[in-house]
Amino acid sequence: QVQLQESGPGLVKPSQTLSLTCTVSGGSISSGGYYWSWIRQHPGKGLEWIGYIYYSGSTYYNPSLKSRVTISVDTSKNQFSLKLSSVTAADTAVYYCARADIVAIFDYWGQGTLVTVSS
Amino acid sequence: NFMLTQPHSVSESPGKTVTISCTRSSGSIASNYVQWYQQRPGSAPTTVIYEDNQRPSGVPDRFSGSIDSSSNSASLTISGLKTEDEADYYCQSYDSSTVVFGGGTKLTVL
Repeated sequence: QVQLQESGPGLVKPSQTLSLTCTVSGGSISSGGYYWSWIRQHPGKGLEWIGYIYYSGSTYYNPSLKSRVTISVDTSKNQFSLKLSSVTAADTAVYYCARADIVAIFDYWGQGTLVTVSS
Repeated sequence: NFMLTQPHSVSESPGKTVTISCTRSSGSIASNYVQWYQQRPGSAPTTVIYEDNQRPSGVPDRFSGSIDSSSNSASLTISGLKTEDEADYYCQSYDSSTVVFGGGTKLTVL
């Protein structure tokens, strides 16, 4: 059973960079066949895809966030990470990591972590 | 890119049948698979339908999915409604390596 767990600061100051890590267990990122994803949900709102990465390092980002997002992978630690720069209060959200197959079906999700942007 | 539009909310009584629509703004709904996710308060989403009309193991056959090219939309139908079905439901698809979620529909079973 694949499990994903987000970790990182729950509070980030405006204009700083939000950094989160997702640790995968029960499966290897480097085995291929899946895209490792970040999705967020603003309080009381819907789901927003941020982007995903393949084990090889190929990345795909939401065009609306592309200029501020970097997703990276560390196969040796079986982790992938999200960096979102120049954050504002509008970036306050629950951030989920998830696994997607090649036709973008999200089959495993982390529990989500709330990140608040505030001074 | 395209958008997926869902009704903001629907409500129905236990035992009845409800259908939630998901309309694609541009491009064909049949071009890429549509998935449906259920999200209960405080929990991560879970898949109830994938590849337009497939049910993951463990999802009851009361849940079904379909697509309609004439209206360029997908639908999630839940029959024999139970109070436990009350949740938010999101459709999702993709195109050109970009993933899109619908805005979500709050299902109330009253």
